[in-house]
Amino acid sequence: SQQGEEDPQALSIQEGENATMNCSYKTSINNLQWYRQNSGRGLVHLILIRSNEREKHSGRLRVTLDTSKKSSSLLITASRAADTASYFCASYSGAGSYQLTFGKGTKLSVIP
Amino acid sequence: DAGITQSPRHKVTETGTPVTLRCHQTENHRYMYWYRQDPGHGLRLIHYSYGVKDTDKGEVSDGYSVSRSKTEDFLLTLESATSSQTSVYFCAISTGDTEAFFGQGTRLTVV
Repeated sequence: SQQGEEDPQALSIQEGENATMNCSYKTSINNLQWYRQNSGRGLVHLILIRSNEREKHSGRLRVTLDTSKKSSSLLITASRAADTASYFCASYSGAGSYQLTFGKGTKLSVIP
Repeated sequence: DAGITQSPRHKVTETGTPVTLRCHQTENHRYMYWYRQDPGHGLRLIHYSYGVKDTDKGEVSDGYSVSRSKTEDFLLTLESATSSQTSVYFCAISTGDTEAFFGQGTRLTVV
């Protein structure tokens, strides 16, 4: 079954607001990653957080990881219309197997 | 962009016919993946490879087979296509435990 589950499934906000997406996963991980997908395109890697990290920043992105709750969140600050896309969390599962599995994603719409 | 190419980009085929999708990389990455993407399901792993001739099943492997005879190529075969296999297929590569790079996708329609 899919490793990650994002919440909410869809999110609509005004330009300039912050967007927060959550991800819960099932098995222990070495790292958790977030990807972005524009409509009809391939996925693009955004940020990776390792299991021994609690928070990581990259530009307007902030990712947190709580391994005790098996959850992560992605915050996009000061959103722009160009941030409209689907966002997925992903992780490698299976000891030594490097099977990379994704959640179902959060569809973010940023209204100008 | 990472050197990863999927072919064909679009294909329409008839039920019962065999179909092979190709993923080609120029990055020499060890791990290669095939996913399908359907509305409401996100990306689901079909098969993946951790080396030449080394492959393993993913979540939705029934009806699919794969082969990897060279580091750079990972083939996905639908032995007898069904309408339920109409989907967008993505290939991805990684060095393992790091970020993955994706191809542009193949839109397959089985009629």
